[in-house]
Amino acid sequence: GAGVSQSPSNKVTEKGKDVELRCDPISGHTALYWYRQRLGQGLEFLIYFQGNSAPDKSGLPSDRFSAERTGESVSTLTIQRTQQEDSAVYLCASSRWTGGSVNEQFFGPGTRLTVL
Amino acid sequence: GDSVTQMEGPVTLSEEAFLTINCTYTATGYPSLFWYVQYPGEGLQLLLKATKADDKGSNKGFEATYRKETTSFHLEKGSVQVSDSAVYFCALSLNTGGFKTIFGAGTRLFVKA
Repeated sequence: GAGVSQSPSNKVTEKGKDVELRCDPISGHTALYWYRQRLGQGLEFLIYFQGNSAPDKSGLPSDRFSAERTGESVSTLTIQRTQQEDSAVYLCASSRWTGGSVNEQFFGPGTRLTVL
Repeated sequence: GDSVTQMEGPVTLSEEAFLTINCTYTATGYPSLFWYVQYPGEGLQLLLKATKADDKGSNKGFEATYRKETTSFHLEKGSVQVSDSAVYFCALSLNTGGFKTIFGAGTRLFVKA
């Protein structure tokens, strides 16, 4: 079956512009995560959605970052007034939700964002 | 706060050598622990996991044991292959109403023929 897909795969933008990144999770996966991976570094948690519950936004680095998800489908991560420090690979992952169990996350290929 | 620390790389080994990648964690509560792997040109994928103390996760010849007393989850393999060359990430997830996951910085492994 189809895996997690992300678009665009690459995005080059100018400082100060807004960007929107898209994630299509695996069908039936109710949990969705966004991460940021700067060059040579680990994954930095940004935000987590689970079904209709309020998202965990504790990892968003500033109010320039926001994310939305409608139901259990597509999610968009928006970065307003981009800065050079926002340059990174943005990864999306989804997983099944089975109550109290932690399930495997399936990752998309990422969007490489470059802010000039 | 909650965190994961893993050994810095790169780690360079010859084929059939023994591999250990150290991982320690700090967490409030009782996390689940994971190793994810990123092969060149591919996305991250789960390698193994352990959900409670003394559990051993294993897959593809890799093993890691959840040690609560030392807050560690070291990754081991008895005989590495060139195809094991990749970046390995240790991670923890806490059930805080959701499952926020915290990743280590990653350790790059090179295996020479």
